[in-house]
Amino acid sequence: GGIITQTPKFLIGQEGQKLTLKCQQNFNHDTMYWYRQDSGKGLRLIYYSITENDLQKGDLSEGYDASREKKSSFSLTVTSAQKNEMAVFLCASSIDRAAETLYFGSGTRLTVL
Amino acid sequence: GQQVQQSPASLVLQEGENAELQCNFSTSLNSMQWFYQRPGGSLVSLFYNPSGTKHSGRLTSTTVIKERRSSLHISSSQTTDSGTYLCALVTGFASALTFGSGTKVIPCLP
Repeated sequence: GGIITQTPKFLIGQEGQKLTLKCQQNFNHDTMYWYRQDSGKGLRLIYYSITENDLQKGDLSEGYDASREKKSSFSLTVTSAQKNEMAVFLCASSIDRAAETLYFGSGTRLTVL
Repeated sequence: GQQVQQSPASLVLQEGENAELQCNFSTSLNSMQWFYQRPGGSLVSLFYNPSGTKHSGRLTSTTVIKERRSSLHISSSQTTDSGTYLCALVTGFASALTFGSGTKVIPCLP
């Protein structure tokens, strides 16, 4: 079996700060995703990538950048942290875009002071 | 408006009780996925169900396309069932998943 590892588990930043979240998977999956989960709400897609060096914007991409320099890793950058984006950020991967099965990491909880 | 409406928002369950969680959707779909999330944990896929009924242990998923709904039935609930259950509408590839807001299942402690 494989695993998705997200670091850090908890991230605290100042308003306006640039912050980076990291995700690694050892499934050898092609497609990776970043979702944001606000309290009491469903997940919303920020970015996804169907292969190394590919980036596709989701519904919530404004204010974020992403990078897929290797097949196994997908990072997300909050370009200027805002207090209203305190949430849990979840990384996921799937073998391909059909994604009958998505595998999720345990999340990074972002707090903005 | 919201494409996926999930209900109830929360549910208190006594051990041994059955429960039914609902998702209603307003657009056409390829499939419905159900996920389970333990507090502070990652999501685990429970079912990928384009139509009809699927079973896994004490869980049953039923998707009725013409009625635009999918349900998740938990039978003989246990305290380990507590957590959040999320449905997600699949309208194309996984990049087009639209999530419901979740149902939080809370154990009723004696």
